[in-house]
Amino acid sequence: DAGITQSPRHKVTETGTPVTLRCHQTENHRYMYWYRQDPGHGLRLIHYSYGVKDTDKGEVSDGYSVSRSKTEDFLLTLESATSSQTSVYFCAISNSMNTEAFFGQGTRLTVV
Amino acid sequence: QKEVEQNSGPLSVPEGAIASLNCTYSDRGSQSFFWYRQYSGKSPELIMFIYSNGDKEDGRFTAQLNKASQYVSLLIRDSQPSDSATYLCAVSWVARDDKIIFGKGTRLHILP
Repeated sequence: DAGITQSPRHKVTETGTPVTLRCHQTENHRYMYWYRQDPGHGLRLIHYSYGVKDTDKGEVSDGYSVSRSKTEDFLLTLESATSSQTSVYFCAISNSMNTEAFFGQGTRLTVV
Repeated sequence: QKEVEQNSGPLSVPEGAIASLNCTYSDRGSQSFFWYRQYSGKSPELIMFIYSNGDKEDGRFTAQLNKASQYVSLLIRDSQPSDSATYLCAVSWVARDDKIIFGKGTRLHILP
C-alpha cells in the first residue's frame, strides 16, 4: 500500500446523500483506477484516469463520477448514494494501462 | 467479451504440499498476466507477473503461462498457513485502451 492513501477508510451514509472518496498517491503514476469489490463479483472497474482531467468509464460506472485535477489525487463521487453501492472500494495506480497495478487499503462504504 | 475464469474454491492443501491455482481467459490477444494475493479484509497485492510462455519462478512461487491453451497457473511450493488467502488472476490485452480484467479469485486454505 506504500504511496497510495484512501480516505475515509470506513463510511456509513444514508440513501440519497452524496459521498466522495479520495485516493492520493505519491508515486507519480499516470494511471489511477477505482474498483469496487463485492462477494461473487470480484473486482469491477468503475472509472479510471490516464492523466490530469482525463478520465473514462469502466464496466460499472452508472451512479458514479470522478475527477482528477492533480496527478496525485483521484476522487470518486456517488452523487446520490443507493444501497446497491454498499461495497468495498479500492483505488489502484499503474504506470501504464497494461502493467501491474498497486492497490490502496480500501474504503468500506455502507449505504443505509 | 473478454473474460477471466477461476475456480472459486476453497482449495484445501496440506501444509508443505504444492498448491496449484489455475486461471483461463477467453481472448487470444492477451498480453500480460498477473497474480495477486488478497488476505481477508485487505487489499490485493501483486505477487507475480508473466508475459511470455513458459515458467517464471520467484522464491516459492512459480507462474506458468500457456498462451496456446489460454491458461495461466500459479504454483506455491512448500505451502504455509500464511499462504491462506484469495488469489486473483488478472489479464491485460494488447489494444491500447484495454483495461486489466480480474478473475473472481480462488480461495486457498492451507491445512496445518
